[in-house]
Amino acid sequence: GESVGLHLPTLSVQEGDNSIINCAYSNSASDYFIWYKQESGKGPQFIIDIRSNMDKRQGQRVTVLLNKTVKHLSLQIAATQPGDSAVYFCAENIRSGGNTPLVFGKGTRLSVIA
Amino acid sequence: NAGVTQTPKFQVLKTGQSMTLQCAQDMNHEYMSWYRQDPGMGLRLIHYSVGAGITDQGEVPNGYNVSRSTTEDFPLRLLSAAPSQTSVYFCASSPSGILYTEAFFGQGTRLTVV
Repeated sequence: GESVGLHLPTLSVQEGDNSIINCAYSNSASDYFIWYKQESGKGPQFIIDIRSNMDKRQGQRVTVLLNKTVKHLSLQIAATQPGDSAVYFCAENIRSGGNTPLVFGKGTRLSVIA
Repeated sequence: NAGVTQTPKFQVLKTGQSMTLQCAQDMNHEYMSWYRQDPGMGLRLIHYSVGAGITDQGEVPNGYNVSRSTTEDFPLRLLSAAPSQTSVYFCASSPSGILYTEAFFGQGTRLTVV
């Protein structure tokens, strides 16, 4: 089975609210995690990443939290906007000692209600 | 920079036909990979390459061949197309080694096998 998965396949939020997208991983050796956003008809676009030596990383309106104890990753989007509507994927791999392929979860569709 | 360029964007094949999906990147990335994306699923790895002359199989390699004669190009060949290969195909590239940077994706090739 896949080592990366998502708890919720779909998420609907009101415009202006915060969104939280969750992801579980099973490979404890993974040391690099990435969140991608995919809009309809386009390729995945990088949102934010985090290394395993960090618990939290913030970007513009986005925050990624990593809990290595329970192998859990989350993406928080502040003040969600209609343009945030997309499918979000988490991905993991191992970078130290070599570059293993990214393993993707199935994705969560975020729908923003205006 | 163009980034990762995939051609064609759309293709319809008859069962049994062969074709090559092209992928080129201009970022001098050593690491390239091919994924397929089916409805309701995440991206599944087909083949990947850690540098010119080196390729390896991913999760779903059957029915596909790859080669990496140059750093820039990583074509994906369908030897005898089957309806099960109807999917959207994405090519990605990233720096190799222990650099903690994201993978860059092309815009995808939507393939239909009838």
